[in-house]
Amino acid sequence: EPEVTQTPSHQVTQMGQEVILRCVPISNHLYFYWYRQILGQKVEFLVSFYNNEISEKSEIFDDQFSVERPDGSNFTLKIRSTKLEDSAMYFCASTYRGRNTEAFFGQGTRLTVV
Amino acid sequence: GQQLNQSPQSMFIQEGEDVSMNCTSSSIFNTWLWYKQDPGEGPVLLIALYKAGELTSNGRLTAQFGTTRKDSFLNISASIPSDVGIYFCAGQLGAGANNLFFGTGTRLTVIP
Repeated sequence: EPEVTQTPSHQVTQMGQEVILRCVPISNHLYFYWYRQILGQKVEFLVSFYNNEISEKSEIFDDQFSVERPDGSNFTLKIRSTKLEDSAMYFCASTYRGRNTEAFFGQGTRLTVV
Repeated sequence: GQQLNQSPQSMFIQEGEDVSMNCTSSSIFNTWLWYKQDPGEGPVLLIALYKAGELTSNGRLTAQFGTTRKDSFLNISASIPSDVGIYFCAGQLGAGANNLFFGTGTRLTVIP
C-alpha cells in the first residue's frame, strides 16, 4: 500500500541551527502538508503546498519556516534558526485532491532542539 | 483557529466493551475524518465522512457525520487490546481551505 515516508525519524539539533525535514508523499498525490504535534498535544496545521507554491499557512508558519519541492518526489520543511519551542513531532501528509479527500500521514520526524 | 472538542478526554474500558466518543465544533465542516495515533507514530486514517448525516463503517468502527455538520461521533464495538491509542477527529472546511483541524483527542485504554 502506498505510504508517505519521512526522514529522519529523529533529529536532535542545537538551538539556532538550521534543520531540514524530508518527506516523500504518495506518488500520485498533488497536495502536500506539514503538521506539528507538540508532545501530549493535538496535531496542528503548519502549511499546505500545491502546484509548487504555498496555498495556505497557519500563524505558526512564520519567516523561520520554509517549504520546498526540490524535485518530483521530495517535499521538505526547513527551519532556519531553531528555537527550543520548535521541539515537536513534525508530520508530512499528502492528498490526491484539495478537498473531500483523505489525508495520509507519514510516521513523523521527532525534532528535539537542545 | 478552529476549535474541535472531543469527549471524553480519556476512557478506560474492559476488553469486549463498546466505546463511543464524539467531536464537536463551533464551525461547520465539509469533511470529517477520524484518525488513530499510537505513541511515536503518525495518525492513521480510520474513517472519512463527506456528507452530512452519513454513517460509515469500517470493520468494528462506525462513524457518523452530524446533520448540523458541526459534530461527529465514532463508535468501536467489541474492543480489543490493540484498540489502545489516541483517537483524533479532524475537520476540513473545504472551499479553498484544505488543511485539517484536529480535535483534542480521546485516549483509549483497553483492559484485557
